[in-house]
Amino acid sequence: DVKVTQSSRYLVKRTGEKVFLECVQDMDHENMFWYRQDPGLGLRLIYFSYDVKMKEKGDIPEGYSVSREKKERFSLILESASTNQTSMYLCASLVDRAGGKAFFGQGTRLTVV
Amino acid sequence: EDQVTQSPEALRLQEGESSSLNCSYTVSGLRGLFWYRQDPGKGPEFLFTLYSAGEEKEKERLKATLTKKESFLHITAPKPEDSATYLCAVSNDYKLSFGAGTTVTVRA
Repeated sequence: DVKVTQSSRYLVKRTGEKVFLECVQDMDHENMFWYRQDPGLGLRLIYFSYDVKMKEKGDIPEGYSVSREKKERFSLILESASTNQTSMYLCASLVDRAGGKAFFGQGTRLTVV
Repeated sequence: EDQVTQSPEALRLQEGESSSLNCSYTVSGLRGLFWYRQDPGKGPEFLFTLYSAGEEKEKERLKATLTKKESFLHITAPKPEDSATYLCAVSNDYKLSFGAGTTVTVRA
């Protein structure tokens, strides 16, 4: 089965720190996504990538950037962490261009203090 | 902009009490509608894909249906292990947009 692995389950960072969230998938999928999940708001798309070195903004890209140097790895970067970025972050890998059958990592719960 | 609205926000059921969850959507060029299940502290897990109005999919006690404007997830004779948050998503080309989810609690 497809495995999507996020580097940390829990992170606590200070305001202003640069934060890296790493995601690795093992099935050679082209499409990868970063979401954040907040109570009552569901999953909101931050960035996605459909190929190596390609990236597209999602619905809430402000304050974030991404990097995809290799096909299997998609990193989310918080340039200067702020308290309103405290959230659950979920990485997903998509099996085909029709979308939908996404495989998710276990999530990273980030707290910015 | 794609919009996905799920109702109700929360649903409390007695074991064996069947019910339905609603997902209404607005999307240009729908590629597919998807249902996911999410357990606390875990990432969402894929359940179903529906591509066209009239399509139905079933898995154990779950049945998903699709019309041109909404989808329903029917839970028949639920058990406590069906307790979870159920998420609906729509796909428009590469982008996958989610609703806020319905949290289902099934009491024994």
